Amino acid sequence: DQQVKQNSPSLSVQEGRISILNCDYTNSMFDYFLWYKKYPAEGPTFLISISSIKDKNEDGRFTVFLNKSAKHLSLHIVPSQPGDSAVYFCAASARGGADGLTFGKGTHLIIQP
Amino acid sequence: DAGVIQSPRHEVTEMGQEVTLRCKPISGHDYLFWYRQTMMRGLELLIYFNNNVPIDDSGMPEDRFSAKMPNASFSTLKIQPSEPRDSAVYFCASTWGRIATNEKLFFGSGTQLSVL
Repeated sequence: DQQVKQNSPSLSVQEGRISILNCDYTNSMFDYFLWYKKYPAEGPTFLISISSIKDKNEDGRFTVFLNKSAKHLSLHIVPSQPGDSAVYFCAASARGGADGLTFGKGTHLIIQP
Repeated sequence: DAGVIQSPRHEVTEMGQEVTLRCKPISGHDYLFWYRQTMMRGLELLIYFNNNVPIDDSGMPEDRFSAKMPNASFSTLKIQPSEPRDSAVYFCASTWGRIATNEKLFFGSGTQLSVL
């Protein structure tokens, strides 16, 4: 039972355009969401997060949007660069919970020149 | 800081053999997690420790899996006996403070396990 779902296994975007990665969750107790980026042969690294009290968080080229009513979040990358090619994991936690993060299966983003 | 260090990077073994994966967390971190990554299930939490004590091992798939943390700077994940379906990338991660207030995890580079 996947509580965090990333329904697109892969996404191809042209360099310079916007990349939009989507994530849905089912557990209404989740109130903190994170995106991790993973390059081949490396561990995931933290990218950006958002608390449920916000609907948007921005960090440079990366913006995460949260729609609590739809239980949906998205990561926007503008403009997309070749170095953004990686697997992106959506993760969620319930504050007060002590069971670590629940991850999605990941989306492989490919930036084409 | 060297980050979370895992060894070996790659492990190839035959079915039935014992496999031991090792992890050194970042100094000062009091939480340590073991995750497994597969194509089918993505990143799954296997077990986590707080101050060297196992807190939740409900993600450990079977009794063939065991994990220990004898001190703050070392943890092992052991599979005995190993089976082909255990083939995956195993990640160790660490963090500090209460999980409720700091959800950011620092991952090692992983161990690619292949059981033939």
